Amino acid sequence: EVQLLESGGGLIQPGGALRLSCAASGFIFSSYTMTWVRQAPGKGLEWVSDISDSGGTTYYADSVKGRFTISRDNSKNTFYLQMNSLRVEDTAIYYCAKINCGIDCSLENWGQGTLVTVSS
Amino acid sequence: IVLTQSPATLSLSPGGRATLSCRASQSVSSYLAWYQQKPGQAPRLLIYDTSNRATGISARFSGSGSGTDFTLTISSLEPEDFAVYYCQQRSHWPPMYTFGQGTKLEIK
Repeated sequence: EVQLLESGGGLIQPGGALRLSCAASGFIFSSYTMTWVRQAPGKGLEWVSDISDSGGTTYYADSVKGRFTISRDNSKNTFYLQMNSLRVEDTAIYYCAKINCGIDCSLENWGQGTLVTVSS
Repeated sequence: IVLTQSPATLSLSPGGRATLSCRASQSVSSYLAWYQQKPGQAPRLLIYDTSNRATGISARFSGSGSGTDFTLTISSLEPEDFAVYYCQQRSHWPPMYTFGQGTKLEIK
């Protein structure tokens, strides 16, 4: 059974930094692109970033580019989201997800999310 | 791309048939995915590649469409189907995933 478990969320002041982790199990982690998606309170889903299976290729939403960094450690079956220069508008539940590509790519499995609150 | 879902809210009774629409602002992919999200839960993949049901998804859920117009149909609504539904596409350049704003399916 695929399991994804996020951790690292919490309350942080504007301008601060936080690192989220997503621990994966139940599949060959090193074979899959992984992604972060966030959801602001009462709002819809926003893709944040993804990282290729090897970690060699990363992509970011314009809203976080230059502030957030995605990385992974395949030896630990874990990937991360380093969030710097946090803003109030970064407040959201952050979900990690496993991407599966058939003809196209979709987010096949999701974690339960970790809440990040940016507030003074 | 922008994905526009309609209606924003759909009120139906159990046993009814739901038709949810997702329209892309431009044709960047021939394929679309649909997700279901219940309050306090993570989203769950329902449909991928426009019309393929994800593992464990009931045959009451079906997807169709092409170009810029896509549809999720839920036949014979069950109480557990009332939730928010999101569509999603992936653009190849710039590489990113775009979600629609969601359709809330509520009990009438």
